[in-house]
Amino acid sequence: RKEVEQDPGPFNVPEGATVAFNCTYSNSASQSFFWYRQDCRKEPKLLMSVYSSGNEDGRFTAQLNRASQYISLLIRDSKLSDSATYLCVVANQAGTALIFGKGTTLSVSS
Amino acid sequence: DAGITQSPRHKVTETGTPVTLRCHQTENHRYMYWYRQDPGHGLRLIHYSYGVKDTDKGEVSDGYSVSRSKTEDFLLTLESATSSQTSVYFCAISGGQGAAFGTDTQYFGPGTRLTVL
Repeated sequence: RKEVEQDPGPFNVPEGATVAFNCTYSNSASQSFFWYRQDCRKEPKLLMSVYSSGNEDGRFTAQLNRASQYISLLIRDSKLSDSATYLCVVANQAGTALIFGKGTTLSVSS
Repeated sequence: DAGITQSPRHKVTETGTPVTLRCHQTENHRYMYWYRQDPGHGLRLIHYSYGVKDTDKGEVSDGYSVSRSKTEDFLLTLESATSSQTSVYFCAISGGQGAAFGTDTQYFGPGTRLTVL
């Protein structure tokens, strides 16, 4: 299994739709998980950290399943401004660096 | 937004020339990182620093060197640029109060687009 694996998409959805992204990771010992957002030709920006109990920030919900080594991001009521690439990020085995997935591209249309 | 700047923002150079990219932060964060981002590869770590004059290699360090003489500046040098080093280079920082090295939230600079002809 690759260290961090994501479906590259693109996911094309209409405004108002609910969309879910999944990510699998290989390091069973990892303790840190994040979702970053990257707009075209811009730097990645933290969207949210992912906690074992799951966490929500407005329209965004992140879930972690340690047994399956699986992370998800749910976006409800999609907006045009949500169009971006979403990067799944997991700490490496040694706990010394973050490993970035290649990203999932979302395009929200009106 | 975290106070991170990169210079230059764009550069075109020729194969075989040395190139230095600069990352400057005003956040007094301890840890700094250099990544490159290429289509089909995502972000890959080149080098990182865990303090002034303390640096180490990342996943793709061949052909690159770094220096950090003060907290706020982290320099990336391509010793002899090759076409395979054409990429977008991002600097990142982490290490606010209580932050753990390597696994804490990282904040990115705006990037440098480098083209090696």
